[in-house]
Amino acid sequence: DVKVTQSSRYLVKRTGEKVFLECVQDMDHENMFWYRQDPGLGLRLIYFSYDVKMKEKGDIPEGYSVSREKKERFSLILESASTNQTSMYLCASRETSTFYEQYFGPGTRLTVT
Amino acid sequence: KQEVTQIPAALSVPEGENLVLNCSFTDSAIYNLQWFRQDPGKGLTSLLLIQSSQREQTSGRLNASLDKSSGRSTLYIAASQPGDSATYLCAVIYGNNRLAFGKGNQVVVIP
Repeated sequence: DVKVTQSSRYLVKRTGEKVFLECVQDMDHENMFWYRQDPGLGLRLIYFSYDVKMKEKGDIPEGYSVSREKKERFSLILESASTNQTSMYLCASRETSTFYEQYFGPGTRLTVT
Repeated sequence: KQEVTQIPAALSVPEGENLVLNCSFTDSAIYNLQWFRQDPGKGLTSLLLIQSSQREQTSGRLNASLDKSSGRSTLYIAASQPGDSATYLCAVIYGNNRLAFGKGNQVVVIP
C-alpha cells in the first residue's frame, strides 16, 4: 500500500513565523503536490514537483515556497505566516508508470493566529 | 482551462437506497478520472480510477462510469450505508499532467 505521511495533523503558529510542513511518501513516486483546501473553494494547487529539485508553481503559490532535496520528501514553507494561510494543507504523490493515480496524505490543519 | 463541476453540493438519502453522484468536466481531452472519498478533517482516499479509454470501473458496491465525449462521469454506490456518509470528489488529469478537482458532493446516509 502506498503511504503518504505528513509531519503534523494540527499546527498553531503566530503571524510572521516561518512554518515548515513536511510530506514523505514511500513508493518512489516522481510527482509530489501540495494543495490547500478551504470551504467553498475546494482544493487548490500551491506547488508541485516532477522530480528531485524540480518544482513548478501551481495556481496559488504566493506566500509559499517548496523544497525537494530527496525523492521521498517534499516540504512546503510559509516564509512569513499570515492569518489568511489558515487552512487544511494536503500533500499528494502520484505514480507516473501506468495510470497516474494520485495518493493523498492525512492533511495538516494549520491555524495562524 | 479545465473546469470540474459536481452537483448537487450536498444530498441526503435513506439507508439502503442507491447513491448516484455526478461529475462533469469542460474539456474532454482527459488522461484519466479519479474518484475520492474524504471524511471530515481527513485526507482524500482514492476509490476508483478510470482511464480515458475505459467506460467504467467497479469495486465492490462502487461503480464509476465515464462518457468522455459528453464530459461526464457518474459514481454509483449500491445499497448505501451510514458509513458511506462523506464527501466524494472527482478529479481529472488533463493537458500537461495537471489535475482539476470538483468541489465535491457531501453525502449523508440516514439510518
